[in-house]
Amino acid sequence: EDQVTQSPEALRLQEGESSSLNCSYTVSGLRGLFWYRQDPGKGPEFLFTLYSAGEEKEKERLKATLTKKESFLHITAPKPEDSATYLCAIDGGTSYGKLTFGQGTILTVHP
Amino acid sequence: DTAVSQTPKYLVTQMGNDKSIKCEQNLGHDTMYWYKQDSKKFLKIMFSYNNKELIINETVPNRFSPKSPDKAHLNLHINSLELGDSAVYFCASSHPGTSGRGQFFGPGTRLTVL
Repeated sequence: EDQVTQSPEALRLQEGESSSLNCSYTVSGLRGLFWYRQDPGKGPEFLFTLYSAGEEKEKERLKATLTKKESFLHITAPKPEDSATYLCAIDGGTSYGKLTFGQGTILTVHP
Repeated sequence: DTAVSQTPKYLVTQMGNDKSIKCEQNLGHDTMYWYKQDSKKFLKIMFSYNNKELIINETVPNRFSPKSPDKAHLNLHINSLELGDSAVYFCASSHPGTSGRGQFFGPGTRLTVL
């Protein structure tokens, strides 16, 4: 069974203080790993898809990387507007488009 | 210009009632999904339809019945509501065989069962 575990559950940073969020996964055959951002009261917003170990994607202050067992979301010099819950999900290919999500990391960036 | 829309945004009802949530997408996607997000923010897939055909049906009580009148709409009907059904329900859509472009989520419907 596909499993996703995210850590830490919550992370508090000062503005400009870089850090990383972790997503560990267990899957028999990875079709894709996804990162989403979710703001309070809203639906998840797609950020990145990673397909294979060694792949990296960047968007503004965010950079996602992938190994065979985990993915990291690196946040460089975060701003208060980066505060949100970050969700990791995997497509294990067992069912058409089925995503298994982790529980998320709540990121708070203080000014 | 809303991509994935859901109605209602909030739904408060009594135990035992029957209710429906509607979802529409204008992205031209063929695949639509229903997810449940519990109080701990854990997001779990319930159903998926591809071009009006049911393709994912997770372990969900029979009281939940999805209906897709066309590929742009996916509704969720819930019979005999229970306290444990209280959650936020998200609709999503994607291109077929999506992985690359991700799934696009609606704003959610917060269901509270009293």
